[in-house]
Amino acid sequence: DAGVTQSPTHLIKTRGQHVTLRCSPISGHKSVSWYQQVLGQGPQFIFQYYEKEERGRGNFPDRFSARQFPNYSSELNVNALLLGDSALYLCASSLVGYTEAFFGQGTRLTVV
Amino acid sequence: EDKVVQSPLSLVVHEGDTVTLNCSYEVTNFRSLLWYKQEKKAPTFLFMLTSSGIEKKSGRLSSILDKKELFSILNITATQTGDSAIYLCAVLGSGNTGKLIFGQGTTLQVKP
Repeated sequence: DAGVTQSPTHLIKTRGQHVTLRCSPISGHKSVSWYQQVLGQGPQFIFQYYEKEERGRGNFPDRFSARQFPNYSSELNVNALLLGDSALYLCASSLVGYTEAFFGQGTRLTVV
Repeated sequence: EDKVVQSPLSLVVHEGDTVTLNCSYEVTNFRSLLWYKQEKKAPTFLFMLTSSGIEKKSGRLSSILDKKELFSILNITATQTGDSAIYLCAVLGSGNTGKLIFGQGTTLQVKP
C-alpha cells in the first residue's frame, strides 16, 4: 500500500508568487491535514479536511487556502509568498480525523 | 491556550544507553497523545495513547500516558545510532478538527 504522497518534494519561489502543494492520502483515508514546520520547531496546524469539507483552520493568514477533491486528495495554496513562508509543508492522512495520522515526506518550500 | 512541552530539547547518549523523553500537556479537551520519530522529513508514527497507565510497546520503544498528571514518557532501551532523530509528541483534541498540537521536539543523538 502506498503511503501519503506529496508533490513536489522541493520548490523555490520568489516573494509575491503563488504556490500549490499537492497531497494524496493513504487509500481509504478520508481526512487530510496540512502542517507547516519551520526549522527547530514542531509542526504547526494549518488546515484539516474531511469528506471535502474544512473541519479546522489554524492561525494562518487568508493567503493560505486549501481544498479536498472527491478522491480525497488535497491541495494547499499559498498566495503572495513571503520569506517567512519558507518551511517544510507536511500533509497527514487519517481514517476519520481523530485516528492515527500518517505523514507524507513533505514539500520543502524556499522563498527567495 | 493549548500547549505541549517536551523535555529535554536535546540529548546525547552512547549506544546501549537507555533514554527517557518527556512530554507534558495542557489541552482543553484531550482525546489522545501521539509520538512520532522524525529523521529527515516525514514524521513516522510510533504510538497513540488514549488511556492512562497502559504501556504501549514496540521493540525497544515503549510509552505510557498519565492523564491525571498530564504527561507521557517515551523510553528507548539499548539505543542504537539509528535511533538518532527528533522525537515529536503531539496531542489530539476531542473536537472534530483532528488538529494535532505538537511540542517542539527532542533531538536525540546516539554516538557509537
